[in-house]
Amino acid sequence: LAKTTQPISMDSYEGQEVNITCSHNNIATNDYITWYQQFPSQGPRFIIQGYKTKVTNEVASLFIPADRKSSTLSLPRVSLSDTAVYYCLVGDHGNNRLAFGKGNQVVVIP
Amino acid sequence: GAGVSQSPRYKVAKRGQDVALRCDPISGHVSLFWYQQALGQGPEFLTYFQNEAQLDKSGLPSDRFFAERPEGSVSTLKIQRTQQEDSAVYLCASSWGSGQGDEQYFGPGTRLTVT
Repeated sequence: LAKTTQPISMDSYEGQEVNITCSHNNIATNDYITWYQQFPSQGPRFIIQGYKTKVTNEVASLFIPADRKSSTLSLPRVSLSDTAVYYCLVGDHGNNRLAFGKGNQVVVIP
Repeated sequence: GAGVSQSPRYKVAKRGQDVALRCDPISGHVSLFWYQQALGQGPEFLTYFQNEAQLDKSGLPSDRFFAERPEGSVSTLKIQRTQQEDSAVYLCASSWGSGQGDEQYFGPGTRLTVT
């Protein structure tokens, strides 16, 4: 499984756009990039998944450059309730086990 | 519809006791996963079922850990002779299919504290 590297933590102000980065230098051709979100005392929740370029859903956008060695999760106009740990995962669709890493603690400040 | 549920939500066990943790996946989901999450860490894979078949148990930390899903729905994770290092949150997840492309839906977890 390709290893991912994320900042340990970051702060953001309420109402701002937050960009969370992830490095995955050893990503393989068949690997997809998936992001999960975890609130305290809850299980992780799927946010978004992509392979290349840009993916957008009702919650977030995922930007993947051409070399796919990194990705950026963008959360528009965050609120206090977006305070959570965000995990970047890399793996192929034939691999059913998720490898989470330590994630990135995002704290939204009023 | 109902999500993944787990019970109990909290469990305190004395060292050496056996515990059983239950997971009720989303109805119709083929795949079921167990993860262990230590404080301040991301979840770590323990084991995986496709229907009633346990296809991967490579993440189970010792032979004291045992999981079953006899009818392809509800699953139980059993830990025998609990040790302090077993203290963690145990998460269950289910999905429609069997690949990482399939979104996994997680339960709230069971927090196990071994004293």
